Amino acid sequence: TQLLEQSPQFLSIQEGENLTVYCNSSSVFSSLQWYRQEPGEGPVLLVTVVTGGEVKKLKRLTFQFGDARKDSSLHITAAQTGDTGLYLCAGGSSNTGKLIFGQGTTLQVKP
Amino acid sequence: GAGVSQTPSNKVTEKGKYVELRCDPISGHTALYWYRQSLGQGPEFLIYFQGTGAADDSGLPNDRFFAVRPEGSVSTLKIQRTERGDSAVYLCASSKTGTNEKLFFGSGTQLSVL
Repeated sequence: TQLLEQSPQFLSIQEGENLTVYCNSSSVFSSLQWYRQEPGEGPVLLVTVVTGGEVKKLKRLTFQFGDARKDSSLHITAAQTGDTGLYLCAGGSSNTGKLIFGQGTTLQVKP
Repeated sequence: GAGVSQTPSNKVTEKGKYVELRCDPISGHTALYWYRQSLGQGPEFLIYFQGTGAADDSGLPNDRFFAVRPEGSVSTLKIQRTERGDSAVYLCASSKTGTNEKLFFGSGTQLSVL
């Protein structure tokens, strides 16, 4: 069974601080996606990484895929209150199309 | 439509009743997913369709849960003899081909079993 473990599960920080969220597995994934979800809405894709060691930047967000394609991280620089939400990583399998989600990291950024 | 549409947005039912949840995916998307989500947790995979067929139904918790997609577009998730533990948000998502692609999610159906 493929599992994705996210840490921390909950993070409360002040505006302007930096943070990193981790997504780890013992399984290899063909791709790793990061989503952000707000209350009452479905998750919205932030980024997809497919190559081991790949780093992608989206404004203040930096995403990294581990060399072995088993883990990933999301780093946010100078967090803003608008970054508040549930952050989810999801691992994809190229042969099945199935996408498995981690349990999520709830981020609260206080003004 | 422009996005994934799920109806109803809220469903309250009594223990033991039968419910149907509907999902209208983005037009032309061949892959359709159903997930279940509890508050503050990640979505739990239920079933994945490629076209009309269920490519992977390994996440369905038991035989009370069943899903169909007869024409390769709209999908219905059916739950028989509902239990209080079935209460959750049921999310539907679609993607163009289903392999390492972006999933577009609906806003979900909040199911409450009393």
